[in-house]
Amino acid sequence: AQSVAQPEDQVNVAEGNPLTVKCTYSVSGNPYLFWYVQYPNRGLQFLLKYITGDNLVKGSYGFEAEFNKSQTSFHLKKPSALVSDSALYFCAVRPNQAGTALIFGKGTTLSVSS
Amino acid sequence: DVKVTQSSRYLVKRTGEKVFLECVQDMDHENMFWYRQDPGLGLRLIYFSYDVKMKEKGDIPEGYSVSREKKERFSLILESASTNQTSMYLCASTPSGARSGNTIYFGEGSWLTVV
Repeated sequence: AQSVAQPEDQVNVAEGNPLTVKCTYSVSGNPYLFWYVQYPNRGLQFLLKYITGDNLVKGSYGFEAEFNKSQTSFHLKKPSALVSDSALYFCAVRPNQAGTALIFGKGTTLSVSS
Repeated sequence: DVKVTQSSRYLVKRTGEKVFLECVQDMDHENMFWYRQDPGLGLRLIYFSYDVKMKEKGDIPEGYSVSREKKERFSLILESASTNQTSMYLCASTPSGARSGNTIYFGEGSWLTVV
């Protein structure tokens, strides 16, 4: 079965430190990969996506993600965390075929302390 | 900017009631989706539609139905609401499914409580 794993329910970092939120996937072929962020009582906001090309993808709010095909991973990173980055982060994949929907991980809560 | 609008943000309904959740997008997207979000479970796909009057079951369609009479509107229907359908419901849309690398845009969510 196709799936996405976010192995950490919560990630805690201090403001100014680098952060990583992990994501691995199990999807056949060459899927498209996404990261979304959700603030309390809000919908999901798109952060970035990998379609093809450079393995390092840059997105909104200073976030970036590194695609690793051999490890089937797509970890979200930021060099210097802000308190305002505290939110729920979702990794998602979409199989590379028509008529498919996003498959989501269970989400990781990022908490940045001042 | 793409706008996906869920008209009802917070609803409280009684067990057995018929519930309609409405979603409208303003970017002429072919594909629309309904997900439910529960703590610790992430987002699970209920139904999606890739064209007017077309629908496909997602992972958890039981207890739900959908309607897509117009391209911009995708409605989720709970025929007889039950307490285990208390959840956050998220609508999303994206352009043509043949280009599945397109970004999927989400509405703000509808919080449904069934009592």
